[in-house]
Amino acid sequence: AQSVAQPEDQVNVAEGNPLTVKCTYSVSGNPYLFWYVQYPNRGLQFLLKYITGDNLVKGSYGFEAEFNKSQTSFHLKKPSALVSDSALYFCAVRDPRAPGGSYIPTFGRGTSLIVHP
Amino acid sequence: ETGVTQSPTHLIKTRGQQVTLRCSSQSGHNTVSWYQQALGQGPQFIFQYYREEENGRGNFPPRFSGLQFPNYSSELNVNALELDDSALYLCASSLDGVRGSYEQYFGPGTRLTVT
Repeated sequence: AQSVAQPEDQVNVAEGNPLTVKCTYSVSGNPYLFWYVQYPNRGLQFLLKYITGDNLVKGSYGFEAEFNKSQTSFHLKKPSALVSDSALYFCAVRDPRAPGGSYIPTFGRGTSLIVHP
Repeated sequence: ETGVTQSPTHLIKTRGQQVTLRCSSQSGHNTVSWYQQALGQGPQFIFQYYREEENGRGNFPPRFSGLQFPNYSSELNVNALELDDSALYLCASSLDGVRGSYEQYFGPGTRLTVT
C-alpha cells in the first residue's frame, strides 16, 4: 500500500530565509508526486508535480521540489520565504501501478508553514 | 481559482438523515475524486470516478456512494449520517489517462455539520 509521510506538523521560518517542507513516500514502482497548498477555509491548490524527467521541478509562486528516488523523498523548497506563504502544505502521491490503473491518490497529514515577518 | 465548483457551501443535517453533495469538474477533465477532510487533518480519499465508472475506493463504508455524469459533474451521497461525518468534503478533478496530466484541481469544499 502506498503512503506519504510529512514528519513535521509545523515549520517556522523568518521572512527572506529559505524554507524546506519535508515529504517521504512509499509506493511500488515509479510514483507520481504532488504538492498542494491550502489557505484557511479554502480548497487545495496545486503547486507542482513530478511525473518523470528532471528531478528538480519548479512550480507556482517560486516553489520547487526535488525528487530523490534513493531516499524516497520529495521535499518542497523556496529560496526566500514570504509572509504570504504561510499556509498548510500537503504532499501527495498517485501510484501508476494501483489496481486497474486507477492512480489512487494518497495525501500526507499536512505541514503548517509559518513565516514570521 | 480553479474551475471546480461545489454546492452547497455549508450544510447542517441531523444524525440519521441523508445528504447529497454536488461537484462540477473543470472543463476537459475526465476524473473526479472525493475527499473527507477533518479539522487539522489531510484529505482522506473516499472514492474516484473515471469516465463515469468508479475505479477506486478508500476505507469508507457503503453508505458513502457517488455518481459521475456524462458531463463529468458528480455527486457524493451519504446515508444514515453519523456525528463523525461532520467534516469538509472536497471534490477534485483531473485529466487522467494516456495524455493525462494527473494533477488535481480542487473545489472550495462543502462544510457538513451533523447534529
